Amino acid sequence: GAVVSQHPSRVICKSGTSVKIECRSLDFQATTMFWYRQFPKKSLMLMATSNEGSKATYEQGVEKDKFLINHASLTLSTLTVTSAHPEDSSFYICSARGLQETQYFGPGTRLLVL
Amino acid sequence: AQSVTQPDIHITVSEGASLELRCNYSYGATPYLFWYVQSPGQGLQLLLKYFSGDTLVQGIKGFEAEFKRSQSSFNLRKPSVHWSDAAEYFCAVGDPGTYKYIFGTGTRLKVLA
Repeated sequence: GAVVSQHPSRVICKSGTSVKIECRSLDFQATTMFWYRQFPKKSLMLMATSNEGSKATYEQGVEKDKFLINHASLTLSTLTVTSAHPEDSSFYICSARGLQETQYFGPGTRLLVL
Repeated sequence: AQSVTQPDIHITVSEGASLELRCNYSYGATPYLFWYVQSPGQGLQLLLKYFSGDTLVQGIKGFEAEFKRSQSSFNLRKPSVHWSDAAEYFCAVGDPGTYKYIFGTGTRLKVLA
């Protein structure tokens, strides 16, 4: 149980284009999902908290207009990187809050912006 | 300020040897505590968690962790390491109010055959 999927697993895009990443909780409902960014050999940096049916809450320093988050249902949250640039290349990981305040993580999406 | 410290960036052990990964935290109250493991290019898998009660927690894959309030520590242990345990290990503190996690910087475990 408590499986979280992400799609796509890898994406390469041209600079200036937008990329959408989906995060799904497959066997449970998640009112809260989180989006993280992980740099090579670094820890996870929380980008935003996504609550179903409401606006996402962004961490300090994260551009909300660049990283659009939508949490339209109890099993799906999306992160859209708008007008992507090479510095946005990273490993993006989502998590979903399950029972007992535990986060369950997706497998991650590796984004490369050329 | 709330923080999580994993003092060891890299640890190398021989297969079959015991393992202890250190985690210290700074938090105003007793937080929720977690250990996750990440294989290269993968997401994080929950090993174990502590909320309250028995301070020795058993997890998956033969791992256990002990919460020591006096030392603000939550060290992860395994009596006999397997080659497949080679990965990155993250300790995390969870805020009961916001559900947010603060992660440590991680410890990369290498296992020698």
